[in-house]
Formats: sequence, C-alpha cells, structure tokens
Amino acid sequence: RKEVEQDPGPFNVPEGATVAFNCTYSNSASQSFFWYRQDCRKEPKLLMSVYSSGNEDGRFTAQLNRASQYISLLIRDSKLSDSATYLCAVRAGGFKTIFGAGTRLFVKA
Amino acid sequence: DAGVIQSPRHEVTEMGQEVTLRCKPISGHDYLFWYRQTMMRGLELLIYFNNNVPIDDSGMPEDRFSAKMPNASFSTLKIQPSEPRDSAVYFCASILLGGRPGNTIYFGEGSWLTVV
Repeated sequence: RKEVEQDPGPFNVPEGATVAFNCTYSNSASQSFFWYRQDCRKEPKLLMSVYSSGNEDGRFTAQLNRASQYISLLIRDSKLSDSATYLCAVRAGGFKTIFGAGTRLFVKA
Repeated sequence: DAGVIQSPRHEVTEMGQEVTLRCKPISGHDYLFWYRQTMMRGLELLIYFNNNVPIDDSGMPEDRFSAKMPNASFSTLKIQPSEPRDSAVYFCASILLGGRPGNTIYFGEGSWLTVV
C-alpha cells in the first residue's frame, strides 16, 4: 500500500462547479499536510497548508481528518485556470515529505 | 530571489552512459530533496539532506543511483549506468527550517531525462 494515495481522476467539471478531492495517508504519526498544484510540464507549487481545524483561502478549503487519516481539498466556483494536477503531501517527523501521485482536474467552459 | 536551480533542464542520453544532475538550493535553506516523477509512479522521494548530511536515502532505487551534497549550495544526483527505465523528471527541492508557511518545499523546474 502506498503511503499517500489519491484518486488520479481525471475530474472533468464545468466552470462554476464545486469539486472535491480526497487524499488518504497511512502513517498515523504524520504531522504536517499540504496541497500542491502542478501545471503541465511545470514543478509543483504550494497551494495551501492544511491545518487541524481546517482552513480556507478564497475559493479553496482544506480539511484534515486525523481519525480517518485523510485530507481533502474543496474548490468552489471552478475557473478554467484551476485546470491542473493537485498533489497532496504528508510529512512525518524529520521533514520527510511524501507526495500522492496527484489528481488531474479539467475545468471546461 | 533566485529559486532552486537545476541543470541540465533536458538531457537525452544513451543507455549505459553516466548521467549527472545538478542542483543549487535556495540560499540559506537547511534541507535539500531529490524527487523523481513519472506517470506510472508519481512523485517519489529519492533522498534528502539536512545541512549537507544525507538523512534518508531509502527511496534511492538501486546502487546505480548516488547523491552527494559537498556544500550547502550544491548537490548532485548521479546515475551510472543509466537505463531506459530511469527516464523521468528529476526535481530538486529545498526547505528553510522555520520558514513560512509551514516549512514549504520549494521545487526547482526539474531535469527532464530521457535514456534511449
């Protein structure tokens, strides 16, 4: 079993839709959680950290469920520019950071 | 500020040749990571360093792969001999301990390796 797992998608949604991604992790000692965005043929870039109480950044909301060992990302009012691959990342002690394989999102007009 | 700098950006090499990938982390960053990304396996952590010392190399696929960090501003990842299955994008990344937000990993633009 992989340490961090994501549904690869693709998710095809119309503009304005709400879309949610989940990511599960196997290491119960994990301490830090992140969502990264990766555009085609580019490097991953931080979208947002995920805090225990959940956090929001504009149209993006991240949630953490430690009991079930998953994190989620909700995108509201999807834009064409949101089309990308979304990677979750999980860090246990010592800064070892493991990424999921990513979920591809296509937002269509 | 300059980000993580990797070279070469693209390399095509023949099977059996030695490949050396280079990385200059962001100045002052404490941790350096090497990742490999393929369609099949996603983004895999190969090895990471803290203050130039390798901390975890459990992701290095086999003895053909080696990584060094001779000083705080330079790291190499070598593959010798290279094989077609090594074809991937190799990312170098760094972290500033205590940086915000949440000790973010900053990635270089990647080295696109094709072994034919």
